[in-house]
Amino acid sequence: QKEVEQNSGPLSVPEGAIASLNCTYSDRGSQSFFWYRQYSGKSPELIMFIYSNGDKEDGRFTAQLNKASQYVSLLIRDSQPSDSATYLCAVSNFGNEKLTFGTGTRLTIIP
Amino acid sequence: GAVVSQHPSWVICKSGTSVKIECRSLDFQATTMFWYRQFPKQSLMLMATSNEGSKATYEQGVEKDKFLINHASLTLSTLTVTSAHPEDSSFYICSAGRRGQRPYEQYFGPGTRLTVT
Repeated sequence: QKEVEQNSGPLSVPEGAIASLNCTYSDRGSQSFFWYRQYSGKSPELIMFIYSNGDKEDGRFTAQLNKASQYVSLLIRDSQPSDSATYLCAVSNFGNEKLTFGTGTRLTIIP
Repeated sequence: GAVVSQHPSWVICKSGTSVKIECRSLDFQATTMFWYRQFPKQSLMLMATSNEGSKATYEQGVEKDKFLINHASLTLSTLTVTSAHPEDSSFYICSAGRRGQRPYEQYFGPGTRLTVT
């Protein structure tokens, strides 16, 4: 059974601070890792993906992957109220198009 | 690019009736489309995967006779909820992807909120 675990939150972070979201996965065959943001009542939107160990930065977002620890995280710098949403971690295997989603972490940025 | 649309965005139907939801890739050919269901405060649960021109592959526990999926072209897939019941009320989201893209990325539609009364 492939599992993707996230802390459901809610996670409250002051505006301007760094928000840190974590995700662990059970399947060592997982190759690609995605972070989605989902606003209430909307469908998920892709923030970024990562498939190599280390850090990947895109604007205020940094994804970190540690395959040995089966751990992927998302850092949001200079958090804004508009970042308040549920963040979903998803993983897939190479050659497998299916995504397995975590339960999501609800993030609230406090003005 | 990579825009996926869904229609309708919301629908209310009576128990026992059938509802069809359309998913279209507007600016690319989607070799694979996925259908998800999301209940309030829960994550996305994959219902089925459909490839153009072939039968859909359903996830364990999803009734294939109740949730009919058709993927007749590279830009259109439909989900029909047959004999809908109140417990089928949910947020249905489709996504589409292009084979061979690395990493494989799914592009999500805006979702369809179904309420069965």
